[in-house]
Amino acid sequence: DGGITQSPKYLFRKEGQNVTLSCEQNLNHDAMYWYRQDPGQGLRLIYYSQIVNDFQKGDIAEGYSVSREKKESFPLTVTSAQKNPTAFYLCASSMVGQGSVPTGELFFGEGSRLTVL
Amino acid sequence: AQSVTQPDIHITVSEGASLELRCNYSYGATPYLFWYVQSPGQGLQLLLKYFSGDTLVQGIKGFEAEFKRSQSSFNLRKPSVHWSDAAEYFCAVGIYSSASKIIFGSGTRLSIRP
Repeated sequence: DGGITQSPKYLFRKEGQNVTLSCEQNLNHDAMYWYRQDPGQGLRLIYYSQIVNDFQKGDIAEGYSVSREKKESFPLTVTSAQKNPTAFYLCASSMVGQGSVPTGELFFGEGSRLTVL
Repeated sequence: AQSVTQPDIHITVSEGASLELRCNYSYGATPYLFWYVQSPGQGLQLLLKYFSGDTLVQGIKGFEAEFKRSQSSFNLRKPSVHWSDAAEYFCAVGIYSSASKIIFGSGTRLSIRP
């Protein structure tokens, strides 16, 4: 079945450790996104990528890094520089239409919940 | 900077009553606008979207939204809510310039009174 797979679903990390969250899609979508969801703050954009080997910072990129070496994959690394990493992380993808404009509908993974101990 | 504001954090309505969830955006050009719903324990689902044309758009589950350029608003409405509509609702704006991104509001949690 087509979709977005995020792993792991739950992750615990000690302070000072980097951790990488996986996001894989088999929808053949060009655009991929990482959002962070905290209670009362909605979804905040961390990084997004429209094509392979290119990505842009979102509104809260500090302390995070990404790569886009393959169309299907957009892993997110939460570094030790992220001051408050405990959160729910959502990966999404979207088709890109004419003029390189995403068609709009985001397809979301089930999310990864990161807890820093 | 672009932004999306959902002024109501939590709304409670009676089953069968009408619903309106507010959304205001800040963006210099004509935006692409979306409403998503997140049910407890589930992912986000697109309810409807506005790109151009008719400013009143119909979505799934009986929802509709109206784009009002003069008010920079895209409010979501439903004439009669059902208990299954209890969820969190997010308004989003698509920013399509040199690169494309979609930003979300902080969400409105909807509770249904029996």
